[in-house]
Amino acid sequence: GAVVSQHPSWVICKSGTSVKIECRSLDFQATTMFWYRQFPKQSLMLMATSNEGSKATYEQGVEKDKFLINHASLTLSTLTVTSAHPEDSSFYICSGKQQRNTEAFFGQGTRLTVV
Amino acid sequence: GESVGLHLPTLSVQEGDNSIINCAYSNSASDYFIWYKQESGKGPQFIIDIRSNMDKRQGQRVTVLLNKTVKHLSLQIAATQPGDSAVYFCAENTGGFKTIFGAGTRLFVKA
Repeated sequence: GAVVSQHPSWVICKSGTSVKIECRSLDFQATTMFWYRQFPKQSLMLMATSNEGSKATYEQGVEKDKFLINHASLTLSTLTVTSAHPEDSSFYICSGKQQRNTEAFFGQGTRLTVV
Repeated sequence: GESVGLHLPTLSVQEGDNSIINCAYSNSASDYFIWYKQESGKGPQFIIDIRSNMDKRQGQRVTVLLNKTVKHLSLQIAATQPGDSAVYFCAENTGGFKTIFGAGTRLFVKA
């Protein structure tokens, strides 16, 4: 299957700082990229959907000013967690798709710990 | 809102036995379903998918069954191995692009 690379794999930051997570599709062009958040022993919750060159569409309850998403090219999307707080500590996972109604390919996830 | 859910949160099977993981979905408009496997600390890994115009699809050691009448999906793993131990999620596509995940089932394989 296609490869999606996420960086960093883990990050620890102080409260109030911002953290950027990168998601790259290595061998395909991801028309659409998705960002999920996963708390321990829970499922993946979709945060937002982004299409290259346009603004992201956020799911209900997700603060767009806190979770900034940029999809600058067909192979790169970034998620910036601004003014991070301990409750933002979670596992963040991105995925990419080439076409509608096909499988999404997932990155390896980023473990964010805010102290 | 509509969601995809699972009947069993955990499943324990003996190595070599067959495993069956079930999933119920509520969005009757969904027409594409996927099973993912997630190991600890990693992203989900695609296992198998099925479209709504099919009721069965087979892969290597895995079979997905779709019953649209009762909105039910199942994943069958033949000759379960220790390496199959993980959390399994069913997911559905809504609106063609978004992939919505169910609650997940943790599979334990006893040696």
